[in-house]
Amino acid sequence: EVQLVESGGGLVQPGGSLRLSCAASGFTLSNYWMNWVRQAPGKGLEWVANIKQDGSEKSYVDSVKGRFTISRDNAKNSLYLQMSSLRAEDTAVYFCARGGTYSYYWGQGTLVTVSS
Amino acid sequence: EIVLTQSPGTLSLSPGERATLSCRASQSVRSSYLAWYQQKPGQAPRLLIYDAYTRATGIPDRFSGSGSGTDFTLTISRLEPEDFAVYYCQQYGNSPQTFGQGTKVEIK
Repeated sequence: EVQLVESGGGLVQPGGSLRLSCAASGFTLSNYWMNWVRQAPGKGLEWVANIKQDGSEKSYVDSVKGRFTISRDNAKNSLYLQMSSLRAEDTAVYFCARGGTYSYYWGQGTLVTVSS
Repeated sequence: EIVLTQSPGTLSLSPGERATLSCRASQSVRSSYLAWYQQKPGQAPRLLIYDAYTRATGIPDRFSGSGSGTDFTLTISRLEPEDFAVYYCQQYGNSPQTFGQGTKVEIK
């Protein structure tokens, strides 16, 4: 059974940093592009970043470029999102999803709250 | 960036009725790379349709997608009680991939 489990969310002050993790199981992570997608409270979905199977290609939405870094460790079956210089508008549930375009498999999400 | 505009914002219908949801792109979506998702409160999105009209695994055939270029439609032929939710379209033909703002299908 394919499972994606995010962790690492929490409350952080503006300007702070946080690292999200996504543990993958039930499939071979190294075979798939992976996405991070976020959803602000009561709002719609926003694609954040994706990464190629071997980590050689990465893309980001403009609003997080230079602040967020997507990475992966295929040996540990894990995907990461390093977030720095966090702003109030980064407050959201962050989902990891299998695939770099549309996604059939999603995690349950982890909530990041940026507030003083 | 391609902006996706979904209409209507809210659709009030009764079980058994037909639902027609629209997703209009600000420019042509390459190769009709458009997906539809269903999301219920507190849950992750569920993929319904990809490549504009291909149903995802396990999706009932009452869900169908159509369209190309800038105009796409999700049709639910007969609403079941479990279909009342928010629906999002997503284009992945042009970078960055983008989502529409969503259409809520509510019980009338």
